[in-house]
Amino acid sequence: DAGITQSPRHKVTETGTPVTLRCHQTENHRYMYWYRQDPGHGLRLIHYSYGVKDTDKGEVSDGYSVSRSKTEDFLLTLESATSSQTSVYFCAISDPGQASYEQYFGPGTRLTVT
Amino acid sequence: QKEVEQNSGPLSVPEGAIASLNCTYSDRGSQSFFWYRQYSGKSPELIMSIYSNGDQEDGRFTAQLNKASQYVSLLIRDSQPSDSATYLCAVSPTTSGTYKYIFGTGTRLKVLA
Repeated sequence: DAGITQSPRHKVTETGTPVTLRCHQTENHRYMYWYRQDPGHGLRLIHYSYGVKDTDKGEVSDGYSVSRSKTEDFLLTLESATSSQTSVYFCAISDPGQASYEQYFGPGTRLTVT
Repeated sequence: QKEVEQNSGPLSVPEGAIASLNCTYSDRGSQSFFWYRQYSGKSPELIMSIYSNGDQEDGRFTAQLNKASQYVSLLIRDSQPSDSATYLCAVSPTTSGTYKYIFGTGTRLKVLA
């Protein structure tokens, strides 16, 4: 998984509780991404980061926030989880500055909101 | 809305045959194109990248790009049961200096032994 870890790998939580997912990389890649994957929708971008403290929204950012205080860590927070946020969440990295536009994925986090 | 379209399948091919997977995209400014393989319950795994018109070969895999037709394809020669997976096409428009990727919903491939 290209030096990318995600934690936790599985989580069950109740509606209305805050949840934070962590992505950690050892590749020193500049860009980091959070996606969710749902049947029939494919991979959809939630937020991405192009450097420490530099983040931007993706197509499904409502209800999610992110933070990146170090190159290696990118956190995704669900401020108040809802059942519609039950999904598989993938972190990914890329480093276009190295002339490689390839994107690599972490192992994923399966989140269930009851 | 920039889109990437794939036939959801399943595409069934016999073992040893050539599997052909197709992808179309809507943004003419797209410059980078990728194929990922995803086994059930696993994360997407990059198998091919292509950046210019023509063919790019890696072992049993060949990616083909036709920017004029906005079409990307993946050929898998000598298909094996272990190739059974969902194949995702991804496109990076790389406009405005951002490096975002748009994914198709994937084509499910079944290789029959």
